[in-house]
Amino acid sequence: NAGVTQTPKFHILKIGQSMTLQCTQDMNHNYMYWYRQDPGMGLKLIYYSVGAGITDKGEVPNGYNVSRSTTEDFPLRLELAAPSQTSVYFCASSYAQGAYGNTIYFGEGSWLTVV
Amino acid sequence: GIQVEQSPPDLILQEGANSTLRCNFSDSVNNLQWFHQNPWGQLINLFYIPSGTKQNGRLSATTVATERYSLLYISSSQTTDSGVYFCAVETGIYSGAGSYQLTFGKGTKLSVIP
Repeated sequence: NAGVTQTPKFHILKIGQSMTLQCTQDMNHNYMYWYRQDPGMGLKLIYYSVGAGITDKGEVPNGYNVSRSTTEDFPLRLELAAPSQTSVYFCASSYAQGAYGNTIYFGEGSWLTVV
Repeated sequence: GIQVEQSPPDLILQEGANSTLRCNFSDSVNNLQWFHQNPWGQLINLFYIPSGTKQNGRLSATTVATERYSLLYISSSQTTDSGVYFCAVETGIYSGAGSYQLTFGKGTKLSVIP
């Protein structure tokens, strides 16, 4: 069972470079999310999507972009990387929203360092 | 926005001991979940519990929504219980196509020693 798959697991990026974190899920979930986790902190929502073609900003969207062309894939793009974007990034998915018992499944995380 | 506070921030237990982790939140919620992040960073959903009590093996959780807190109980702790436990809440009004934002606490770091 693959679940939520993220790539790459580790990456070092230079200041000003751009890159895309890939995320795919095989559970046919409508909702997908990108979170970042800084050391000693909880997760903060960057962007989310409620279905193909629909995305919206979360709490910390600046410096990131997303797209959702298919149900399965939800890539996160970092434009003009900055040291403040050094973090662990988690992709997640869920079938439905809170009122319906929304269990959220996380990928294994992508460790990104900007130098 | 809603505030989520977890206590204690750190907890060290001898294997076999019991523990209670607490999550306080500042507003009404329609979704509350507990997660375990293992030492390798993997996040696992433990409970979806906006109200009431649930049990799963040695773990159980209780949410008293009217008093805005939730408790996670770990009984007969094992070294594999080590990691960080997060509480996360959502306050959005369900509208079918509306927003969904989980707000996470900073977590309780649990270390179970043999």
